[in-house]
Amino acid sequence: NAGVTQTPKFQVLKTGQSMTLQCAQDMNHEYMSWYRQDPGMGLRLIHYSVGAGITDQGEVPNGYNVSRSTTEDFPLRLLSAAPSQTSVYFCASSYSIEDQETQYFGPGTRLLVL
Amino acid sequence: AQSVAQPEDQVNVAEGNPLTVKCTYSVSGNPYLFWYVQYPNRGLQFLLKYITGDNLVKGSYGFEAEFNKSQTSFHLKKPSALVSDSALYFCAVRTMYSGGGADGLTFGKGTHLIIQP
Repeated sequence: NAGVTQTPKFQVLKTGQSMTLQCAQDMNHEYMSWYRQDPGMGLRLIHYSVGAGITDQGEVPNGYNVSRSTTEDFPLRLLSAAPSQTSVYFCASSYSIEDQETQYFGPGTRLLVL
Repeated sequence: AQSVAQPEDQVNVAEGNPLTVKCTYSVSGNPYLFWYVQYPNRGLQFLLKYITGDNLVKGSYGFEAEFNKSQTSFHLKKPSALVSDSALYFCAVRTMYSGGGADGLTFGKGTHLIIQP
């Protein structure tokens, strides 16, 4: 198993550009989530999904879109990047939302918006 | 709203000494509490959780945490620290989000644990 993979590892964007952060897992997990990590603020949940075709908002969803067309993939889209979205983004997955505390985290994507 | 607080940005402990990383919580109802560890350039790893039952919870790598309802605390502890324990530690609580009927995790800001040889 590759676990949870994220691409790219690092990205620089200009304000207003769009991009998609990729996340994939090969463990047949139903629950997937996206967090952002900022210094001194811990992790904050952006969006999550409890299965293919089902997504919902977390604590800080504004400026981000997600979709879940397959069990394996859960991409995060920035439609118009802003400097406030400079952060480290983590994707995570678990068998179900009930197991989310033991979810597997990907290695992260560092995003810099200029 | 559910929240957790980690009052210390950094904790320094000599190798072999006991360590404590503090966490206090604010929740309505019964709390579901968790501890995670993050090593440099890695994602978070689950250490332990408290749902119900014994107030002393044992987890991975020799860590344990003590749930104290009267003090609304969930401090992480280890009897004898190792240099390899040096990392960033997060306390978290299960949270209901207004976006839907389901829930997520709310994390504290993290505490850097530094174990000195």
